[in-house]
Amino acid sequence: AQKITQTQPGMFVQEKEAVTLDCTYDTSDPSYGLFWYKQPSSGEMIFLIYQGSYDQQNATEGRYSLNFQKARKSANLVISASQLGDSAMYFCAMREFNTGNQFYFGTGTSLTVIP
Amino acid sequence: NAGVTQTPKFQVLKTGQSMTLQCAQDMNHNSMYWYRQDPGMGLRLIYYSASEGTTDKGEVPNGYNVSRLNKREFSLRLESAAPSQTSVYFCASTPQEGNQPQHFGDGTRLSIL
Repeated sequence: AQKITQTQPGMFVQEKEAVTLDCTYDTSDPSYGLFWYKQPSSGEMIFLIYQGSYDQQNATEGRYSLNFQKARKSANLVISASQLGDSAMYFCAMREFNTGNQFYFGTGTSLTVIP
Repeated sequence: NAGVTQTPKFQVLKTGQSMTLQCAQDMNHNSMYWYRQDPGMGLRLIYYSASEGTTDKGEVPNGYNVSRLNKREFSLRLESAAPSQTSVYFCASTPQEGNQPQHFGDGTRLSIL
């Protein structure tokens, strides 16, 4: 079974609008962390935001926020006020703290911001 | 602040040739990783090293070997390159603490003809 599932291969959003990128995960480890990365066309991987399984509040970092629904095992990334520079691939990843040092990545969502 | 440095950035090989991808980090991280990225498949883990002196297989280890030379360096070797190994390879590192993200190198674009 896939540890991380991103069901949206491609998404489009109008500039200045908000967009939600979906991520669901599968784990039996009660202690884990969820990460989102951005990969622009230049290829580098940029860390955006982190959510721990025991965090009581949804994580926020500037225009990025995480809609964390633990019971549904989802950790959707919300980008507010989209900008042209947000056009990129976005990857969701998970690390299980009790079962090793691996990070599991989803297949990514390609976001295009339309002017 | 170099972070994670990968060399080379680009390489073209012929089928059957061997080569080593180099990775070094200057952040005193314990754990290091090698991934390959193919279109539509995200990042797939090849090998990782939880700490100096240890290495473990990831999801797609066949055709690769690794060496954790010291805490800073983690190399990936292709002994006999195959066209299926054409990919973009990323090295990453992270501290032992679980809530810390991975830091990635800029990647190596490898083409096998």
